[in-house]
This record gives sequence, C-alpha cells and structure tokens, in this order.
Amino acid sequence: AQSVTQLGSHVSVSEGALVLLRCNYSSSVPPYLFWYVQYPNQGLQLLLKYTSAATLVKGINGFEAEFKKSETSFHLTKPSAHMSDAAEYFCAVRKAAGNKLTFGGGTRVLVKP
Amino acid sequence: DVKVTQSSRYLVKRTGEKVFLECVQDMDHENMFWYRQDPGLGLRLIYFSYDVKMKEKGDIPEGYSVSREKKERFSLILESASTNQTSMYLCASRKWRGGSNSPLHFGNGTRLTVT
Repeated sequence: AQSVTQLGSHVSVSEGALVLLRCNYSSSVPPYLFWYVQYPNQGLQLLLKYTSAATLVKGINGFEAEFKKSETSFHLTKPSAHMSDAAEYFCAVRKAAGNKLTFGGGTRVLVKP
Repeated sequence: DVKVTQSSRYLVKRTGEKVFLECVQDMDHENMFWYRQDPGLGLRLIYFSYDVKMKEKGDIPEGYSVSREKKERFSLILESASTNQTSMYLCASRKWRGGSNSPLHFGNGTRLTVT
C-alpha cells in the first residue's frame, strides 16, 4: 500500500521567511502527487499537482514543489511567507491507474509577524 | 466553479443512533468520496463511488455504509453511531478522465459529535 509521510505536524515561520514543508511517499512507480491547503473551517483546496511534465511545479499563492524521484520526495516551498499562509497543508498521492488518493498526516503552518 | 455541498456543518448525535451525512455536487462528476479527518492522522478514505450505484470500500469502512442512487448525491451512513466516530467528515468529487490526474474537489466538511 502507498504511504505518505509529512515531516513535522507543526511549522512556525516568520512573515517574509522561507516556508518549507516536507513530503515523502512510498511507491515503486512515480505516482500523481498533490498538495492541498485547508484554511480554518473550510474544506481542502488544491495548491498544485505533479503531472510528470516537469519536476518543478508551480501552484497558486506563490507556492511551488519539486519532484525528486531518487529521494521519493515532493517538498513544498514558498520563498516569503505571508500571514494569509497560516493553514494546514496536506500532501497526497494517487497511483497512475487508480482512484484512491492517500493523504499524509498534515502540517499546520503558523506565521509570526 | 465546482460546488460540493455537505448538508450539515455541525451535527450532534447520541450513541446508537443511525446517522446520515449527505453530499451533493453540481458538476456531473463520476467519482465521489467520503473521508474522515482526525488530528495527526490526515484524511482517511472511508468509501468511494466510481459512478451511480457503484461503491468500493476505502481504508476504514467498518461501521459505515454508503448510498449513491443519483450521480450528484453520495450519502454516508453510520448504522449505529459510536463515540469513536466523532470526527470531521469530508466529501469530495472528481471528474474521471481515465488515468488523468484530475484533482478532488472538497466540501466544507461536517463536524460530527457522538455523545
């Protein structure tokens, strides 16, 4: 079975600092990879997705993620944190021929002024 | 924009009650999903449906059942609610495009408390 590991359940960053959220997956075949964001009292929204067209994927709100096959990783970054980035972030994977999306445990981001 | 609507935002039920959680999507999506979200565990798949009247167990189906009589509606049923089913429940839908990576669209969730 596939699994997704997000390192760190909570991350605290200062406004303007780099945001780095780590995601590693277990899969023998490169899957489809996604990052979702959940703002308080809302459902999840898609931030970005990996499609195998390019290893560096740009998403909404200035976020991007890099797929590294050798490290089975798909880490999410944003160069400069904004107060509005405070939310919970989820990494997810799906097999190429499957319907099931498997989520990591989530990382809650706190942005300090 | 895709809209996934969950009928209740908050729900409080007693142990042993039969509970229905309703989800409706307005974009003619074939696939629909029910997840539960618990702190530190992320989202875990309970059941999903490929299309009308089709369903498949997810990772944690015990204590739950589902119904998909119409394409736009996917219901999650707790046959006899228990306190360990207190959680946030999220419904999602997806357009099936045969092997594509189309994303899930989520509702805002139903926070269920079983006392």
